[in-house]
Amino acid sequence: QKEVEQDPGPLSVPEGAIVSLNCTYSNSAFQYFMWYRQYSRKGPELLMYTYSSGNKEDGRFTAQVDKSSKYISLFIRDSQPSDSATYLCAMRVDYKLSFGAGTTVTVRA
Amino acid sequence: EAQVTQNPRYLITVTGKKLTVTCSQNMNHEYMSWYRQDPGLGLRQIYYSMNVEVTDKGDVPEGYKVSRKEKRNFPLILESPSPNQTSLYFCASSYNIPTGELFFGEGSRLTVL
Repeated sequence: QKEVEQDPGPLSVPEGAIVSLNCTYSNSAFQYFMWYRQYSRKGPELLMYTYSSGNKEDGRFTAQVDKSSKYISLFIRDSQPSDSATYLCAMRVDYKLSFGAGTTVTVRA
Repeated sequence: EAQVTQNPRYLITVTGKKLTVTCSQNMNHEYMSWYRQDPGLGLRQIYYSMNVEVTDKGDVPEGYKVSRKEKRNFPLILESPSPNQTSLYFCASSYNIPTGELFFGEGSRLTVL
């Protein structure tokens, strides 16, 4: 069993829709939770990170962490074609960083 | 411009021919790491380095070597490449490990025939 499970999709939504992405994990020692965005033929870039359970908002993006359920989510409101990318969840304990497989999202204009 | 630079970006080689993928960062980061990305498996850590002369294995270190003689450089060495090392490789660096923000290079696509 992988430490971090993420539905690979792909996910296709119309412009303006809410995109919902999630990951589950098995290692209760994970301390930091991140979402990275990866455009085609590019390296991943950090989108959001959070340390504790609860919600964190940044513009159209909301990250949720539920440590008791070992479940994290990313919501994208008012999605735009420019949001079309692969989204990877990542989790860290000490120097070890584990990534999900990534979910490919396409936002249709 | 702050960046992580990898070379080569694309490489086709044959089984057993030693190769090195270079990685250099200009942000004075102490932490550097190598990942491979494969469909359905996501990013998997190969090796990481917390500082000069300090390296450690990640999740998939078999068949790879690294060295960290200078802070800015972290080359990935494949002594005897095999077809199962065909993959997309990313180098990354970070200034603040706990928050987990990694700065990634553009990737190196390696094909081993």
